[in-house]
Amino acid sequence: GAGVSQSPRYKVAKRGQDVALRCDPISGHVSLFWYQQALGQGPEFLTYFQNEAQLDKSGLPSDRFFAERPEGSVSTLKIQRTQQEDSAVYLCASSLGTTGAGYGYTFGSGTRLTVV
Amino acid sequence: GNSVTQMEGPVTLSEEAFLTINCTYTATGYPSLFWYVQYPGEGLQLLLKATKADDKGSNKGFEATYRKETTSFHLEKGSVQVSDSAVYFCALSDSDMRFGAGTRLTVKP
Repeated sequence: GAGVSQSPRYKVAKRGQDVALRCDPISGHVSLFWYQQALGQGPEFLTYFQNEAQLDKSGLPSDRFFAERPEGSVSTLKIQRTQQEDSAVYLCASSLGTTGAGYGYTFGSGTRLTVV
Repeated sequence: GNSVTQMEGPVTLSEEAFLTINCTYTATGYPSLFWYVQYPGEGLQLLLKATKADDKGSNKGFEATYRKETTSFHLEKGSVQVSDSAVYFCALSDSDMRFGAGTRLTVKP
């Protein structure tokens, strides 16, 4: 497709439930990024892939968060045993460049996760 | 580490007023600088960018100049419209992209 596609658009999870969020980047984009955006805040970096390699996962808040991009295209962000503090919008972005610097990112519309 | 600090909002202006949203950065290297805009209910969209010192990014009447001496990238528009109402994010990119907290702009007719 022409843009970055994320699904589902909205997800309500009961506390303790596992969730999986999907991102389809722009075809041919090497770099893929996940961000977490809390209400009224800017996006916070979670993790970065260059093709299938996860080069930086320093932003993942705990070992309950796991991301993968096994074939270098679609990526999944998994959150195990969700907690209320995980409620946020999860944004995926892709970039043509290998590090993102200078190219800018194209963002998806995000997945709004609400943990109840 | 790299970081971005931007003007706190919200900012409310009348149509055709002049807009400035301040952004300063801290970086160890030579990052690229960006402004993103988020309209209600939508994802972030790239508004403009500058990749080196003294570059000016511009788009849709918005401008920002990469000022290395003042480590700033302030966003300006000479005459805002109601349709410019949105949240604006300043960002810098080195090995990854770091965002400011966002500034909400409301333009009234």
